[in-house]
Amino acid sequence: QVQLQESGPGLVKPSETLSLTCTVSGDSISSDIYYWDWIRQPPGKGLEWIGSASYGGNTYYNPSVKSRVTISVDTSKNQFSLKLSSVTAADTAVYYCARRDFGEFCFDPWGQGTPVAVSS
Amino acid sequence: QSALTQPASVSGSPGQSITISCTGSSSDIGGYDHVSWYQQHPGKAPKLMIYDVSNRSSKFSNRFSGSKSGNTASLTISGLQVEDEADYYCCSYTSSISNWVFGGGTKLTVL
Repeated sequence: QVQLQESGPGLVKPSETLSLTCTVSGDSISSDIYYWDWIRQPPGKGLEWIGSASYGGNTYYNPSVKSRVTISVDTSKNQFSLKLSSVTAADTAVYYCARRDFGEFCFDPWGQGTPVAVSS
Repeated sequence: QSALTQPASVSGSPGQSITISCTGSSSDIGGYDHVSWYQQHPGKAPKLMIYDVSNRSSKFSNRFSGSKSGNTASLTISGLQVEDEADYYCCSYTSSISNWVFGGGTKLTVL
């Protein structure tokens, strides 16, 4: 069965770039039938969809972060990544990666999440 | 503040039924049959339970059901079990430019 696992630094300084990777096992990221998404949850708050990317190169971003975010797929490593620039304390959150089928409107499965704190 | 509104907590006794509400607007829940629900135990990945309002994931028993009326979706859990104690999140596709909106989550306590 497919599994997703996030990895990356747990602490990022303000104004720097947050970089996370999601490693996919049990399935090929090169499939044309999936989107690969990032979702985050700030402390004490609800979930927020960040954006998604497909193997074919299509990307979609939440306008709240669109000017600062890049999501990309690395087929050689069966991974996809999130880069969020110019971070502030408001970007402190648990970051989740997830898969979404083309034509479907739900996220399945998800990774366990990785906490990222923005602090000097 | 989340785009979708859920109660912060609900509780019930083993064997009882509970319902968790999720209220949005005509731009999301009321406009599309694309509501999904997720269960999350502490430190674990969220799991898809219900999709497209009332379709149940094969990983969950028929004790879990979803419905929608107007701008409000609901998750009902019948025959509560101790292992149902978890956080539950709703999600909806939205016509707004953010594409997806989530609820703030509901903590279910099984007494």
